[in-house]
Amino acid sequence: QSVLTQPPSVSAAPGQKVTISCSGSSSNIGIAYVSWYQQLPGAAPKLLIYDSDKRPSGIPDRFSGSKSGTSATLGITGLQTGDEANYYCGTWDTRLNAGVFGGGTKLTVL
Amino acid sequence: QITLKESGPPLVKPTQTLALTCTFSGFSLTTSGVGVGWVRQPPGEALEWLALIHSDNDKRYSPSLKSRLTITKDASKNQVVLTMTNMDSVDTATYYCVYRRPGTYQLDYWGQGALVTVSS
Repeated sequence: QSVLTQPPSVSAAPGQKVTISCSGSSSNIGIAYVSWYQQLPGAAPKLLIYDSDKRPSGIPDRFSGSKSGTSATLGITGLQTGDEANYYCGTWDTRLNAGVFGGGTKLTVL
Repeated sequence: QITLKESGPPLVKPTQTLALTCTFSGFSLTTSGVGVGWVRQPPGEALEWLALIHSDNDKRYSPSLKSRLTITKDASKNQVVLTMTNMDSVDTATYYCVYRRPGTYQLDYWGQGALVTVSS
């Protein structure tokens, strides 16, 4: 049972846009920045978004992040088959005094 | 260029203690605020945050596993070690070493992961 809640799966056609939600509470998303990680099949996770809405160098601007209250959203536009992966949100929980992740969302590009 | 690499036994028996070593390069654990930690992922399941150690030796643990985990560092060797006691089959997972920049929440760099199987 993950502390942060994500939908198990989302899907969309190539070229379309998709959003992935991440719901938390006042002790985590409500007070801390959110990061997003992309895990391609058979690979280690990679940082996609940090500080809720910033992209590391090398991450295309097709990927975006936002946060409002105790929820965060990852957006991906211009979907490509290479975007098929599991996506995880993460943050710090001030009540647990530990890092926390969502359960992950599997993106399928139809 | 920051890199991290996990090493340790691929197979441990139930009740044994697991020791995993993270050997890193591209940064120093003597730099103020730097953090190195561990995340695991059982096969086909989600990521689970385990532990983090900072340059000042401040340590944080997952509350659910705190009694079984110990994280230590040897900055002179560029290594961080995670030990987990009383291993069980449910601890079978890929264990990732991660790097966190000073003053941030995100895990900027990940190792390739080390699969640990718990079986008699």
